[in-house]
Amino acid sequence: KNEVEQSPQNLTAQEGEFITINCSYSVGISALHWLQQHPGGGIVSLFMLSSGKKKHGRLIATINIQEKHSSLHITASHPRDSAVYICAVKPSGSRLTFGEGTQLTVNP
Amino acid sequence: DTEVTQTPKHLVMGMTNKKSLKCEQHMGHRAMYWYKQKAKKPPELMFVYSYEKLSINESVPSRFSPECPNSSLLNLHLHALQPEDSALYLCASSPGGLAGVGGNEQFFGPGTRLTVL
Repeated sequence: KNEVEQSPQNLTAQEGEFITINCSYSVGISALHWLQQHPGGGIVSLFMLSSGKKKHGRLIATINIQEKHSSLHITASHPRDSAVYICAVKPSGSRLTFGEGTQLTVNP
Repeated sequence: DTEVTQTPKHLVMGMTNKKSLKCEQHMGHRAMYWYKQKAKKPPELMFVYSYEKLSINESVPSRFSPECPNSSLLNLHLHALQPEDSALYLCASSPGGLAGVGGNEQFFGPGTRLTVL
């Protein structure tokens, strides 16, 4: 079993829809990262969080440390949001452990 | 300057060639990382430099040789690669050193797309 599980693996939405991507992990962590990767491109760090909730524009990330679960929400989705979204966790003093990613496609 | 830059963007090389990938950051970050990413897979850690010293080598074959000449620059020297080494090579940096610093955000570069013929 992977230490980091993401769901869904693939997600197709219509423009304007509210999107949720989930991440569950099995180890104690010091932080959780949400990353975005466009096709053929580098990785952009969206959020790093260790508790509660963070918001940036149309993106919201939440984490529940007790339940070892995090969600990434996108409000009013747009085709330019189409990308792979990766959850990564960092156990204390250790390296990032990545999930397999969620491929999001937003159709106009 | 708040970004990690990587050159070249694309590289095609033969199995007998010697080439180098370059990564640079001017954010004063003290940890720098090399990752390898195959298509539709998450990045795999290769090397970590912390305060310009090699801290982690994830059992990477010796045909990959990292170098950290100074705190802003990270190189990956390539020699006698195999076609299966074709991948996206990502560099990242984070503010603190690796050891004992939890939760430091990693800033990724755009990557070098490497093709080995």
